[in-house]
Amino acid sequence: DVKVTQSSRYLVKRTGEKVFLECVQDMDHENMFWYRQDPGLGLRLIYFSYDVKMKEKGDIPEGYSVSREKKERFSLILESASTNQTSMYLCASSPDRWGNGYTFGSGTRLTVV
Amino acid sequence: AQTVTQSQPEMSVQEAETVTLSCTYDTSESDYYLFWYKQPPSRQMILVIRQEAYKQQNATENRFSVNFQKAAKSFSLKISDSQLGDAAMYFCAYRTARGGATNKLIFGTGTLLAVQP
Repeated sequence: DVKVTQSSRYLVKRTGEKVFLECVQDMDHENMFWYRQDPGLGLRLIYFSYDVKMKEKGDIPEGYSVSREKKERFSLILESASTNQTSMYLCASSPDRWGNGYTFGSGTRLTVV
Repeated sequence: AQTVTQSQPEMSVQEAETVTLSCTYDTSESDYYLFWYKQPPSRQMILVIRQEAYKQQNATENRFSVNFQKAAKSFSLKISDSQLGDAAMYFCAYRTARGGATNKLIFGTGTLLAVQP
C-alpha cells in the first residue's frame, strides 16, 4: 500500500516558534501537497511540489514555506507560529499531474499557544 | 477559478437505509475529474469514488455510487445499505484534466454523516 507518513499526530507550540511538519511518502510519487483543514472551510492548499526542489504556492501560502530536498520528503515550515495557524495539517502525494486521486497522511493537529 | 460547494454541513441516516450527499461545482472546463473522499475519526482521508467528466456512465464502487450531471455541474454521492462504519466527514473534490503544475485538488467544505443504529 502507498503510505504517506506525517511525523507527528499532535503538536503544541508557542507563538513565535519556528515549526517543522514533516511528511514522507514511500511510493516514488512526483507530486506532494500540504493542506490545512479547518471546520466549515474544508481543505485549503498551502503549497505543493511536483519535483525535487520545485515548489508552488497554493491558495494560502502566507506565513508558511516548504522544502523538498528529496523526492520522498516534503516539509512544511511555519516561520513564526501564530495562534491563527492552529489547525489540522494534511500532507498528500500523487503519482502524476493527471486524474489520479491523492494519498493522504493521517494529519497533524497543531495547536499554537 | 473552480469552486466546489457542499450545501449540507451535516446529514443523518439510519443503518441499512440509503443517503445522498450533494455536491455542485463551478468550472469553465470540459474535461476534469471529480472525487469523493471519506474522512473517518481516524483522520485518514480515503478515496471513495472517482468520476471522469468525459464518461457519461456514473461511477460505482460497491455500496457507493454517484449521480453525475455534467450540464447541471452536480456530483452527488449515494450510499446504499448504510453501515455504522460509514459515519465520517465526506468531501467532494475537483481536479482539472489539463495537467501541469496547476492540477491541484479543490475541495468542498465537507458533509458530516452520522449513521444511527
